[in-house]
Amino acid sequence: AQSVTQLDSHVSVSEGTPVLLRCNYSSSYSPSLFWYVQHPNKGLQLLLKYTSAATLVKGINGFEAEFKKSETSFHLTKPSAHMSDAAEYFCVVSGTNTGNQFYFGTGTSLTVIP
Amino acid sequence: GAGVSQSPSNKVTEKGKDVELRCDPISGHTALYWYRQSLGQGLEFLIYFQGNSAPDKSGLPSDRFSAERTGGSVSTLTIQRTQQEDSAVYLCASSPGRIQETQYFGPGTRLLVL
Repeated sequence: AQSVTQLDSHVSVSEGTPVLLRCNYSSSYSPSLFWYVQHPNKGLQLLLKYTSAATLVKGINGFEAEFKKSETSFHLTKPSAHMSDAAEYFCVVSGTNTGNQFYFGTGTSLTVIP
Repeated sequence: GAGVSQSPSNKVTEKGKDVELRCDPISGHTALYWYRQSLGQGLEFLIYFQGNSAPDKSGLPSDRFSAERTGGSVSTLTIQRTQQEDSAVYLCASSPGRIQETQYFGPGTRLLVL
């Protein structure tokens, strides 16, 4: 079975400080993992994805995530938060045994304090 | 090129009425998904279409919900006899259809049932 757990429902950081959004996954097969961002009243936008190539994945807007199989984690990081990063972030897993179905975490709301 | 489009962007209806929500996927994408996002919640999978295969309806919450996809392109999600708990944002996504390929989301339809 596939599942995703986002460990924090809400994260608050000061502008210019690092961002860490945590995600753990469960998958019986080689998973693909994604991070999406949703700004208020906007659709979901892909930040980055992992598909069994390099374990450190770089995405848009300075975000990156590292796939750690031993820890079943795919945490999202950014060295320096910007006000425009304030949004909802979703971690998503898709596995080869799920056909083409995707499983979403419950989301992490990121607040950036000026 | 054009992304996924959804219409209407907002819909207000009275309890007990039927509603139809439309999704136009990216041209050439064979996979199409419907999700529901209730206030403050993650994404709830509703239904998945892949090419000419029978749709995966495992996420539909009740028999009041149905969806079709005509000609392998446009999809319509129908909710009959709407209830207040159906109020949510309904998101559509499409993907090229290859296993674990990225989903591209539309802006969503915000449904309010009074």
